[in-house]
Amino acid sequence: QKEVEQDPGPLSVPEGAIVSLNCTYSNSAFQYFMWYRQYSRKGPELLMYTYSSGNKEDGRFTAQVDKSSKYISLFIRDSQPSDSATYLCAMSEGGGNKLTFGTGTQLKVEL
Amino acid sequence: DADVTQTPRNRITKTGKRIMLECSQTKGHDRMYWYRQDPGLGLQLIYYSFDVKDINKGEISDGYSVSRQAQAKFSLSLESAIPNQTALYFCATSDPGRKQFFGPGTRLTVL
Repeated sequence: QKEVEQDPGPLSVPEGAIVSLNCTYSNSAFQYFMWYRQYSRKGPELLMYTYSSGNKEDGRFTAQVDKSSKYISLFIRDSQPSDSATYLCAMSEGGGNKLTFGTGTQLKVEL
Repeated sequence: DADVTQTPRNRITKTGKRIMLECSQTKGHDRMYWYRQDPGLGLQLIYYSFDVKDINKGEISDGYSVSRQAQAKFSLSLESAIPNQTALYFCATSDPGRKQFFGPGTRLTVL
């Protein structure tokens, strides 16, 4: 079993929809949780960064962490075609910067 | 100018050849990383360096070596390339807050 599980998709939604992307993990020592966005043929770009449990909002994006369930989510409101990309979750333990990544979910927002 | 640059962006080589991928950063970060990305496997850590004198193996270091020439430069070498090393390779740096920033990637094909 992988430490971090992420549905690979692809996920196709109409423009304006609310998108929910999720990851589950097994390592209870993870404390830092991130979401990266990766456009085709580009490097991953940090989108959201959270520590421990709770919610964080940035514009149309909201990240949620539920450590009791070992489950993290990224919500995208009013999705746009420019949101079409692969979204990678990543997480790390308290000591050091080694990240463990999910395999990524491919999202397509259609006009 | 990009904060993290990688050269070359694309490389085709033959089995048994030695090749080097280079990474430079202008972010002033001490910590640097090399990852490979394969379809369906996500990002896997090859090597990481917390400063010029500190080099550490990641999950999949066999067949690879690295050199940290300066704070800003971190090179990855394949001593004798093999076809299953065909992948996307990413360099990343991180700040003390554990946020990682990725370069644009090198697409490597080993024939």
